[in-house]
Amino acid sequence: TQLLEQSPQFLSIQEGENLTVYCNSSSVFSSLQWYRQEPGEGPVLLVTVVTGGEVKKLKRLTFQFGDARKDSSLHITAAQPGDTGLYLCAGAGGTSYGKLTFGQGTILTVHP
Amino acid sequence: GAGVSQSPSNKVTEKGKDVELRCDPISGHTALYWYRQSLGQGLEFLIYFQGNSAPDKSGLPSDRFSAERTGGSVSTLTIQRTQQEDSAVYLCASSLIVGYLDNEQFFGPGTRLTVL
Repeated sequence: TQLLEQSPQFLSIQEGENLTVYCNSSSVFSSLQWYRQEPGEGPVLLVTVVTGGEVKKLKRLTFQFGDARKDSSLHITAAQPGDTGLYLCAGAGGTSYGKLTFGQGTILTVHP
Repeated sequence: GAGVSQSPSNKVTEKGKDVELRCDPISGHTALYWYRQSLGQGLEFLIYFQGNSAPDKSGLPSDRFSAERTGGSVSTLTIQRTQQEDSAVYLCASSLIVGYLDNEQFFGPGTRLTVL
């Protein structure tokens, strides 16, 4: 069974601070996705990383895929209240063709 | 709308009753997925469909859970003899194809199931 350990589970910070969310596994994934979910809605895809060592930037968000394709991180620079939400990492591939294996999620609260 | 829709949005039922949850995927998407999410937690895979076939049912928690998809479109998740531990948000997603790399899944808003 493939597992993704996501940390921290909760993050409460002030506007303007930086933060990093980690996603780790002992399994290799073909790709790693990051989703953001707001209350009462389904997750929405932010980015997919595919190549080991890949770094993708989306405005103030930076996503990295580990060289061995077993881990990933999400870094937010100068967080804003609008970044508040549940962030989920999800791995595709390996022994789990078709389905996504999700981490437990990180609940981020950014205070003005 | 063009997104994934689910119905009902909320369902309250009594322990022991059967419930049916419906998912309408994005038109043209061949793959459809069901997940379960406990409050503020990650998603637990239940089952996915490629067309009308379900290659992977490994996530269904027990034989009280079943799902079907007809016409390569609408899917129904049925829970028989509901238990309180079945209370969760049930999310449906669809994707254009099934694959390792390009597998962006589009999620519906979910059905919140409460078993009393």
